[in-house]
Amino acid sequence: DGGITQSPKYLFRKEGQNVTLSCEQNLNHDAMYWYRQDPGQGLRLIYYSQIVNDFQKGDIAEGYSVSREKKESFPLTVTSAQKNPTAFYLCASALAAGSEAFFGQGTRLTVV
Amino acid sequence: GQQLNQSPQSMFIQEGEDVSMNCTSSSIFNTWLWYKQEPGEGPVLLIALYKAGELTSNGRLTAQFGITRKDSFLNISASIPSDVGIYFCAGQPGMNRDDKIIFGKGTRLHILP
Repeated sequence: DGGITQSPKYLFRKEGQNVTLSCEQNLNHDAMYWYRQDPGQGLRLIYYSQIVNDFQKGDIAEGYSVSREKKESFPLTVTSAQKNPTAFYLCASALAAGSEAFFGQGTRLTVV
Repeated sequence: GQQLNQSPQSMFIQEGEDVSMNCTSSSIFNTWLWYKQEPGEGPVLLIALYKAGELTSNGRLTAQFGITRKDSFLNISASIPSDVGIYFCAGQPGMNRDDKIIFGKGTRLHILP
């Protein structure tokens, strides 16, 4: 089945540790996105990639890093520089930058 | 940058009532999208609109691409408990179809028993 998969669904980390969230898609989409969602809030764009080996900062990129070495994969690293990392993280992909995006099921990260 | 103003921010309605929400911008959009997010899940695409004036239905949901290209609305008829969630509008702005889509802040729908 084609789709976009985020793993794990829940993730716990100690403060000060880096953590990497996985996002894989087999839809042959060029564009991929990472969003952060806080309780009762909307979606805030962290990073996006319009094509493999290229990515751009979104509105809240500080404390995060990404890579796009393969078309299918767009992992997000939450670094220790991110001051408030506990949140719900959503990955999405689209055929192209301006096309409708399809979302994964999200990863809820809790830093203790 | 371009922004989408989505309203209302939240709604409390009785089961069986109709619902209407909208999204506006000061800029024109090429595409309007409506998503629904249930608690703990990723948003799911409900309706996509591609032309000014387009009216599209998906079951009890109806959405329209405003004729000015600066707004869109979503209506839900005869609401049921499973309609609860956050509804996001999104759009692809401007004249360049390579520009990424942007999202509104969402409308939270609550249904009273």
